[in-house]
Amino acid sequence: DGGITQSPKYLFRKEGQNVTLSCEQNLNHDAMYWYRQDPGQGLRLIYYSQIVNDFQKGDIAEGYSVSREKKESFPLTVTSAQKNPTAFYLCASSIRGARGNTIYFGEGSWLTVV
Amino acid sequence: AQSVTQLDSHVSVSEGTPVLLRCNYSSSYSPSLFWYVQHPNKGLQLLLKYTSAATLVKGINGFEAEFKKSETSFHLTKPSAHMSDAAEYFCVVSAILSGAGSYQLTFGKGTKLSVIP
Repeated sequence: DGGITQSPKYLFRKEGQNVTLSCEQNLNHDAMYWYRQDPGQGLRLIYYSQIVNDFQKGDIAEGYSVSREKKESFPLTVTSAQKNPTAFYLCASSIRGARGNTIYFGEGSWLTVV
Repeated sequence: AQSVTQLDSHVSVSEGTPVLLRCNYSSSYSPSLFWYVQHPNKGLQLLLKYTSAATLVKGINGFEAEFKKSETSFHLTKPSAHMSDAAEYFCVVSAILSGAGSYQLTFGKGTKLSVIP
């Protein structure tokens, strides 16, 4: 079955640590996205990538980094510079080019600072 | 610039009664609009989308929405609520990210639907 796989589902981070959230898709989509979800805030865009080896900052990129070395993979690193990282993180992907294209989401990853 | 306003943060209905979740949007050009549903600790699933074809859009699980340009609204409805409909619902408008042709979704803050047995 085609889809988006995020791992791990739950992750705990100590203060000062970097952690990486994995996102893999087998939908053959060019575009991939990372969103952060906080209660009552909707989803906010962290980074997006339209094509391999290219990515752009979204609305809340500070304290995060990404890479796009393969079409299928778009990992997100939450660095120690992110002061409030506890949130639900959603990876998504879509076909490029048309505003009506559906964006498909993974099941999400919970990150908690301990 | 575009924005989305979901007019209710929480809606509670009895099982078997109609559901109405309200959404208003603003966009500088003809938008594409979506409704997504999210069950607890899960990703988002597309319910339906409007992309400038028929203004009344039918989606999965008996939901539908009507695009009203004059009112800048895209309200989600269902004739009869089921317990399994209890979830959070997001209204979304598309927006161009860059000239290369990728589009960003702008999300409303969500409406939590509770269904009372």
